[in-house]
Amino acid sequence: GAVVSQHPSRVICKSGTSVKIECRSLDFQATTMFWYRQFPKQSLMLMATSNEGSKATYEQGVEKDKFLINHASLTLSTLTVTSAHPEDSSFYICSAGQEGYEQYFGPGTRLTVT
Amino acid sequence: KNEVEQSPQNLTAQEGEFITINCSYSVGISALHWLQQHPGGGIVSLFMLSSGKKKHGRLIATINIQEKHSSLHITASHPRDSAVYICAVLGGNQFYFGTGTSLTVIP
Repeated sequence: GAVVSQHPSRVICKSGTSVKIECRSLDFQATTMFWYRQFPKQSLMLMATSNEGSKATYEQGVEKDKFLINHASLTLSTLTVTSAHPEDSSFYICSAGQEGYEQYFGPGTRLTVT
Repeated sequence: KNEVEQSPQNLTAQEGEFITINCSYSVGISALHWLQQHPGGGIVSLFMLSSGKKKHGRLIATINIQEKHSSLHITASHPRDSAVYICAVLGGNQFYFGTGTSLTVIP
């Protein structure tokens, strides 16, 4: 099956710094990528939908200036958490696919902000 | 009300038992996913279904589109199956997630 990778798998950063998370589709071209966040003991929450070559669509309550999403190519989307704070510590997951229903999930990135 | 409901929320089973996790949804979907999340958070996509039934090893997933219901079955459960299982449906261009079922298989 199709593979989606995320990098890094774990990252620890200091409060106030920015951290970038990559989501790559390894063997297919992804016109759409989704970014999710998971709080402890909770299910996944959609943050934004990223379409290649256009601006991301953010869900209500998600700060687009804080969570910068770039989908510059058909195989790569990046999520940058800017000026990170401890409350941004979470598990971030992406999924990638083409128009329709073929979506494949990445393994996730655990962010800890100290 | 959640668009996706899973049951049970927590499940403890003895090794070897047959396990069923249920998922009901209220939106029109183009696909349903079963995800497995191990302690530490890593997500593994187990199945993607749009109709019928799929089998992979000891795992079986079924979906009934008319009844808007899916089940995930684990045969001959093993302690390494202990994880959180999440049902996710793709409706339109949006995913809806169940709250997950935490499974513990005791040796």
